[in-house]
Amino acid sequence: EAGVAQSPRYKIIEKRQSVAFWCNPISGHATLYWYQQILGQGPKLLIQFQNNGVVDDSQLPKDRFSAERLKGVDSTLKIQPAKLEDSAVYLCASTNPGQGYEQYFGPGTRLTVT
Amino acid sequence: AQTVTQSQPEMSVQEAETVTLSCTYDTSESDYYLFWYKQPPSRQMILVIRQEAYKQQNATENRFSVNFQKAAKSFSLKISDSQLGDAAMYFCAYRNNDMRFGAGTRLTVKP
Repeated sequence: EAGVAQSPRYKIIEKRQSVAFWCNPISGHATLYWYQQILGQGPKLLIQFQNNGVVDDSQLPKDRFSAERLKGVDSTLKIQPAKLEDSAVYLCASTNPGQGYEQYFGPGTRLTVT
Repeated sequence: AQTVTQSQPEMSVQEAETVTLSCTYDTSESDYYLFWYKQPPSRQMILVIRQEAYKQQNATENRFSVNFQKAAKSFSLKISDSQLGDAAMYFCAYRNNDMRFGAGTRLTVKP
């Protein structure tokens, strides 16, 4: 079984630029999550999708962050415009609720904003 | 809001010895899941062990076991016969409707 795929693995941008991250979950997993992990901290949930609908986006900074999962499979997370404090690893995870809530994580995208 | 606290930023253990990582959480819910995840330097988060709150029996996975104290809201991870490959960041996580992670404990294994 293929794991969760993310791209790019690394991205360096200047502040006020925009950036997009892509995630392809494990086949058949209905639930998809985006997390932000700042260096030295645990992951913080940004948004949760169930199929193509948003379940929880309470911690997503909606003035600059957006995410979509149009066909209920892969997802994109966008930041526009980026700030220095957005430097972090962005993790994507997926789960099949019928499998006991275990989340499978991708390798992450490390974003550096200069 | 549910919070997860890991009070040990760093821990060290000698190879083949046993180490316990601490985790406490705050919740008003009675039904939830607790997890320990491992994150090696490569960054891929891997599930180590899972505990359902309604189960009184502590979960065990080979060398990994938990001490789940529901009343005390405590969920510690014990690693027996530590191996060099156990060196990583360990995150405690709580899940009800959403997932909350602790700040992590960096485990070093000395040969």
